[in-house]
Amino acid sequence: DTAVSQTPKYLVTQMGNDKSIKCEQNLGHDTMYWYKQDSKKFLKIMFSYNNKELIINETVPNRFSPKSPDKAHLNLHINSLELGDSAVYFCASSTRAGSTGELFFGEGSRLTVL
Amino acid sequence: AQSVTQLGSHVSVSEGALVLLRCNYSSSVPPYLFWYVQYPNQGLQLLLKYTTGATLVKGINGFEAEFKKSETSFHLTKPSAHMSDAAEYFCAVTLRGTGNQFYFGTGPSLTVIP
Repeated sequence: DTAVSQTPKYLVTQMGNDKSIKCEQNLGHDTMYWYKQDSKKFLKIMFSYNNKELIINETVPNRFSPKSPDKAHLNLHINSLELGDSAVYFCASSTRAGSTGELFFGEGSRLTVL
Repeated sequence: AQSVTQLGSHVSVSEGALVLLRCNYSSSVPPYLFWYVQYPNQGLQLLLKYTTGATLVKGINGFEAEFKKSETSFHLTKPSAHMSDAAEYFCAVTLRGTGNQFYFGTGPSLTVIP
């Protein structure tokens, strides 16, 4: 069983469209994240949820909206896609309080906006 | 503010040679430090971590890193490079009690020459 799974793995879409990426973790972790990795491999935190509550919300356009229906799932919806949104989006999870809290990553979702 | 500096976007070593990947961090409080590896088209996986205690940390695949507080460094080494070590290597820092806000360095990409 994959610990952190993301779908889809690849997304190719036109500018202006709306798309979603889903993430699920079966590790029993209480914190989940979305990271964006650009073409230079730089990893930037976008959002973090702890027990369905938003705890980190970096400077991200409000076209990006995370949703956490429960602590095992964190989805990312992107409206009105732009060329600059092309990147690999990684979901990750960890435990939070009182732990060393290393991140466990999914395999990534490569988004290409044409 | 916390940050991680990894100099150089590409490092090349010959097969069997020493691997040395440098990481310096900036932190106002004692940090937790991590090295992650990313193989092509995959997510990041943990190589090793330092939290407290022994400053020389051993990880998977023969890698190790040493936390040097006086130098604010956490360099990654491996005595003998294998072809399978070709990947991106990310150093990351997080602070105790911050809800696991991670700060990643920018690589580098390791090439192993036969």
